[in-house]
Amino acid sequence: KNQVEQSPQSLIILEGKNCTLQCNYTVSPFSNLRWYKQDTGRGPVSLTIMTFSENTKSNGRYTATLDADTKQSSLHITASQLSDSASYICVVSANNAGNMLTFGGGTRLMVKP
Amino acid sequence: DGGITQSPKYLFRKEGQNVTLSCEQNLNHDAMYWYRQDPGQGLRLIYYSQIVNDFQKGDIAEGYSVSREKKESFPLTVTSAQKNPTAFYLCASSIVYPPRGGQPQHFGDGTRLSIL
Repeated sequence: KNQVEQSPQSLIILEGKNCTLQCNYTVSPFSNLRWYKQDTGRGPVSLTIMTFSENTKSNGRYTATLDADTKQSSLHITASQLSDSASYICVVSANNAGNMLTFGGGTRLMVKP
Repeated sequence: DGGITQSPKYLFRKEGQNVTLSCEQNLNHDAMYWYRQDPGQGLRLIYYSQIVNDFQKGDIAEGYSVSREKKESFPLTVTSAQKNPTAFYLCASSIVYPPRGGQPQHFGDGTRLSIL
C-alpha cells in the first residue's frame, strides 16, 4: 500500500531559527514528490516539485531534498518568519497507470516571536 | 487573476439533507479533483474528472456525487447517505490528468461543512 509519513506532526520554533521537516514514503514506482504549504483555513499552495533525477530544489527560504534510494525527503526552512506558520504537506505521485497522488498527514509548524 | 473559487466558505447540513459545494476554475485546466481533509489526516480523493462530461470515483466516493457539464465547473453534492460529512473539502485542478512532472495541482480555499 502506498503511504507517506511525515514527522514531526507538529513543531514550534522561534522566529529567525531554521527547521527541517521530514517525509518518508513507500510509493512505488516513484514519479515525483511535492511539498505544499497550507495556511489555516486555506487551500495548499505548491512550494516545490521534484522528479526522480532531482535531489535538491529551492524556493526562496525553502529547500527540499530528495533521496530516492532511501525514499526520504526533507523540507528545510531557513531564517523562519511568523508567516511560515502553517501546515506543510508532502505528496508523492506514483508512475503507474493510475498515477494517483498519496498525501502525507502534514507537519503543523508554529513560528513564535 | 487565474485561480479556483470555492463557495460557500462555510456550510451547515441538516439530517437527511443534500448539499452542494461549488468549485469554479478559470485556469483552463482539463482535470479537476475533490478532496476531503480531516484533522491530522492526509487529503483523501473523493472524485476526479479528466475532461468535460467525464468523472471517476476516488478512494472515498460513497455518499458523494459530482457532475462536469462545463470545463470550468465541478460541483460536489454531499448526499444524506454520507453519514459523517463534517470535514474540510478542497477542490483542485491541473492542466491534465494525472498532474505530471513539474505540473502542480492548484487548490481552492476550501469549504468547511458541518452537521447541524
